[in-house]
Amino acid sequence: EVQLVESGGGLVQPGGSVRLSCATSGFTFSNYWMHWVRQVPGKGLVWVSRINGDGSSTTYADSVKGRFAISRDNAKNTLYLQINSLRAEDTAIYYCARDRSSTWYVDYWGQGTLVTVSS
Amino acid sequence: SYVLTQPPSVSVAPGKTAEITCEGNSIGTKSVHWYQQRPGQAPVLVIHHDDDRSSGIPERFSGSNSGNTATLTISRVEAGDEADYHCQVWDSRSDMVFGGGTKLTVL
Repeated sequence: EVQLVESGGGLVQPGGSVRLSCATSGFTFSNYWMHWVRQVPGKGLVWVSRINGDGSSTTYADSVKGRFAISRDNAKNTLYLQINSLRAEDTAIYYCARDRSSTWYVDYWGQGTLVTVSS
Repeated sequence: SYVLTQPPSVSVAPGKTAEITCEGNSIGTKSVHWYQQRPGQAPVLVIHHDDDRSSGIPERFSGSNSGNTATLTISRVEAGDEADYHCQVWDSRSDMVFGGGTKLTVL
């Protein structure tokens, strides 16, 4: 069974940093592109970033370029998202998601981790 | 940037048919994917590539895509179908794009 479990969210001060993790199981992690997608509670889904199987290729939404960094550790089957210079508008649920064979849609989602940026 | 527009809400009586639209410029030339998100839960893929049902999704769910509108159709609606539904495409300039989501209410 494919499982994606995010962690690392919480209350963070503006200007601070946070690293989100997504532990995966049930599939060969290194064979898949992975994404981070965020959602302000009650609003729509917004794609944030993706990374290829060996970590050599990354892409970001324009709104997060320069502040967000996606990475992965295939030995640990874990995906990461480093978020720096946090702003109030980064407050959202962050979902880890598996891409369906590099076709740019998601076949499995994690349950999400909430990041709240507030002083 | 590429924009997908969904109605904020759709209401339907049990047993009837619900249609949720997703509008975008020449969306018929793109592959559209649909996700169901029940309250407090993560999204679940229901339809991919316009009209292919994901594994385990009932036949009551179907999709179509032509011109500037893609449509998710849910036949014989049940109370358990009440959820938010999100459409998504990939665009060469905007990358992965989601619609704003539609809340389906079963009356």
